[in-house]
Amino acid sequence: AQSVTQPDIHITVSEGASLELRCNYSYGATPYLFWYVQSPGQGLQLLLKYFSGDTLVQGIKGFEAEFKRSQSSFNLRKPSVHWSDAAEYFCAVGGPSNDYKLSFGAGTTVTVRA
Amino acid sequence: DAGITQSPRHKVTETGTPVTLRCHQTENHRYMYWYRQDPGHGLRLIHYSYGVKDTDKGEVSDGYSVSRSKTEDFLLTLESATSSQTSVYFCAMTGTGDGYTFGSGTRLTVV
Repeated sequence: AQSVTQPDIHITVSEGASLELRCNYSYGATPYLFWYVQSPGQGLQLLLKYFSGDTLVQGIKGFEAEFKRSQSSFNLRKPSVHWSDAAEYFCAVGGPSNDYKLSFGAGTTVTVRA
Repeated sequence: DAGITQSPRHKVTETGTPVTLRCHQTENHRYMYWYRQDPGHGLRLIHYSYGVKDTDKGEVSDGYSVSRSKTEDFLLTLESATSSQTSVYFCAMTGTGDGYTFGSGTRLTVV
């Protein structure tokens, strides 16, 4: 079975500070990993994805994520947060071994304070 | 989003009535999915399709059925709507799993 755990339900960070969102996954084969962001009332926007190769992945809006197979983790980071980064963030895992079904974490809500 | 549309965008229905949500794609992708989104649960898979007339259950399939008679259309039916099915429903598609496109969502309220 595949699953994703996002341990932090809510994170508050000051504007300009760094941000790290944690994601742990369970998957029986080589995973495809994704981070999505969702603003209130909106759809999902892909931030970045990992399939293979370099374990440090760069995404849009200045985000990056690091795949650590030994820790089954795919944590998302941003060096300096902007007020517009306030949103809900979802980590997801899938892959070719199960019809590319994606399993999502419960999400982490990020609040940015001035 | 580009290549995939959901209808309706909003719907209010009464308990016990059947409801059908439609997902339409123009990318000829093989795989299509229906998810529901609820606070504290992220997105959970209801049903998915891996080809025309090929469908399978997801983790929260009770009370839902799907059909895919054409590559471009994937229908989700709530056979007898209940208040617990009040949710936001997202359709998604992929060709080879390297990229997913999500619809804009359908907000369903069951009263």
